[in-house]
Amino acid sequence: HLQLQESGPSLVKPSEILSLTCTVSGDSLTSTGSYWGWIRQPPGKGLQWIGSGYYRGSTYYNPSLKTRVTMSIDTSKNQISLKLNSVTAADTAVYYCARDVEFLGRFDFWGQGILVTVSS
Amino acid sequence: DIQMTQSPSSLSASAGDRVTITCQASLDISDSLNWYQQKVGKAPNLLIYGASNLETGVPSRFSGGGSGTNFSFVISSLQPEDIATYYCQQYDILPWTFGQGTKVEIK
Repeated sequence: HLQLQESGPSLVKPSEILSLTCTVSGDSLTSTGSYWGWIRQPPGKGLQWIGSGYYRGSTYYNPSLKTRVTMSIDTSKNQISLKLNSVTAADTAVYYCARDVEFLGRFDFWGQGILVTVSS
Repeated sequence: DIQMTQSPSSLSASAGDRVTITCQASLDISDSLNWYQQKVGKAPNLLIYGASNLETGVPSRFSGGGSGTNFSFVISSLQPEDIATYYCQQYDILPWTFGQGTKVEIK
């Protein structure tokens, strides 16, 4: 049974780097057709796709965040990472990692999410 | 970006009622549409993919339809455990985008 778990700091200062890790268990990150994505949700608001990546290195980002975001996949640790730099209060959100089936935006398994607050 | 507009933003219905939510895309997206259910404090849960395909394990009272720019999501008989916010999401053109959500409550 596939499980995802986000981890990282819950508080980040403005202008600093938001750095999160998603640990995957119950399946391999190298499973054929499994892309891995990040989605975020500001408190009380809707969902925004951040990006999705494949273990072989291809990554796709939301253009609205592309200049600030980096995703990577570490197959040896079965982990996905997200880095978002130059954060502001507008980046305060619950951040979810999820499996993106065959890069079809079909997010069938999600982590529980982690609330990251940007504040000094 | 493709804009996804859901209607209504919220609704209140009685248990057993048929509930319909619509989702309109700003461009033709064929059938590249998913529906998610999100309960308070939880991650979204995929219910429908490809506009009308029921995800494994999802009760049959949930259904979806439509293509092009107009889509619908139906709960045939609303149950208390269906209280949640529902989101549509297109995956035809990057970036994937979501509707603003429809909050469903029980009268």
